[in-house]
Amino acid sequence: EVQLVESGGGLVQPGRSLRLSCTASGFIFGDYAMSWVRQAPGKGLEWVGFIRSKASGGTTDYAASVKGRFIISRDDSKTIAYLQMNSLKTEDTAVYYCARDGPWYDYWGQGTLVTVSS
Amino acid sequence: QSVLTQPPSVSAAPGQKVTISCSGSSSNIGNNYVFWYQQFPGTAPKLLIYENNKRPSGIPDRFSGSKSGTSATLGITGLQTGDEADYYCGSWDRSLSAVVFGGGTKLTVL
Repeated sequence: EVQLVESGGGLVQPGRSLRLSCTASGFIFGDYAMSWVRQAPGKGLEWVGFIRSKASGGTTDYAASVKGRFIISRDDSKTIAYLQMNSLKTEDTAVYYCARDGPWYDYWGQGTLVTVSS
Repeated sequence: QSVLTQPPSVSAAPGQKVTISCSGSSSNIGNNYVFWYQQFPGTAPKLLIYENNKRPSGIPDRFSGSKSGTSATLGITGLQTGDEADYYCGSWDRSLSAVVFGGGTKLTVL
């Protein structure tokens, strides 16, 4: 059974950093790209970015709103995808989901809430 | 303002059919696949339709997708109260090099 579990969310002050993890199981993690999607309270879905599989170069793409501040990485040996969030802003407050990207998002994690507030 | 445009809400009676539109451009829908997701409050989105009109295993054939030019449509027949949810379309945008979503449509089954 495919499972994605996000962790690492919480309350953080503006300007600080936070790292989210997405632990995967039930599939060959290294064969898939992994994406991050967020949803601000009461708002719609917003794509954050994704990381390709190593076979596809392991490169990343990001939404303009987070480019230069967020970094997505992966550890295929641990089957974990990471979202490093730096220079956080209040508008980054959202539930952050990871999703298996195949290239459609067929499996999602349960989400982890990040609140950026002083 | 979302890159893809969806109506904020639609409604219909149980047993009826409803369609949800998703309008984009040649940068996204016009030249890339469309995906549809269903989301219930407080839960993660669920894939309903991929590659414009394909249903993942387990999705009933009451749900259908179509695409024409730079627009796509999600159709739901035989509406049930359990279909009340938010629905999002998505596609890759080659100009933005980004996945773009519609703003979401809230379905109410009266």
